[in-house]
Amino acid sequence: SAVISQKPSRDICQRGTSLTIQCQVDSQVTMMFWYRQQPGQSLTLIATANQGSEATYESGFVIDKFPISRPNLTFSTLTVSNMSPEDSSIYLCSVNRGEKLFFGSGTQLSVL
Amino acid sequence: GDSVTQMEGPVTLSEEAFLTINCTYTATGYPSLFWYVQYPGEGLQLLLKATKADDKGSNKGFEATYRKETTSFHLEKGSVQVSDSAVYFCALSGGNTGFQKLVFGTGTRLLVSP
Repeated sequence: SAVISQKPSRDICQRGTSLTIQCQVDSQVTMMFWYRQQPGQSLTLIATANQGSEATYESGFVIDKFPISRPNLTFSTLTVSNMSPEDSSIYLCSVNRGEKLFFGSGTQLSVL
Repeated sequence: GDSVTQMEGPVTLSEEAFLTINCTYTATGYPSLFWYVQYPGEGLQLLLKATKADDKGSNKGFEATYRKETTSFHLEKGSVQVSDSAVYFCALSGGNTGFQKLVFGTGTRLLVSP
């Protein structure tokens, strides 16, 4: 298994501001994944973060809106930039061990 | 592209009732199939998985069988408990998405009353 610490657990933000979410893993991993869970919808992969290279973004997500850092093999951050109410979601980081994905407890973001 | 469809909720049951949550998928090749569970206030946890046709995943009394002929992976439990109240997500990896990424269904909320 993997222990993943994610923070903040929740935040309420004003429109136009940015929020950085942190994800810490208890052991080194090659890839870290960032997902979004919009209200009443499924989880959607935002991007894959590899250490030492730029993140790979899925269709519909761009680096300017969701910049990601991956400074080492146990840590990553996701920033939600220039927020609007449509960004209100739960954001989750995850890592894989073989074919299993393990998730952090998520960051519940509300944008006013 | 790959996709997962699961029944809408909420599913409301009394304790000890039989549970079925339907899940069907669309994927090329031979994906692996998963059920994840999200208890209130907690993160997603892997509940069970199956990696090839006719495999049965099982855990905590829950079962699901990988049916390639019907492209289904329905979740079942013979006797639910109040503590099973949670949101259940069906997911796949492999196919077009590769084994590193998961494609999720929309989730089904289960509410079990005493």
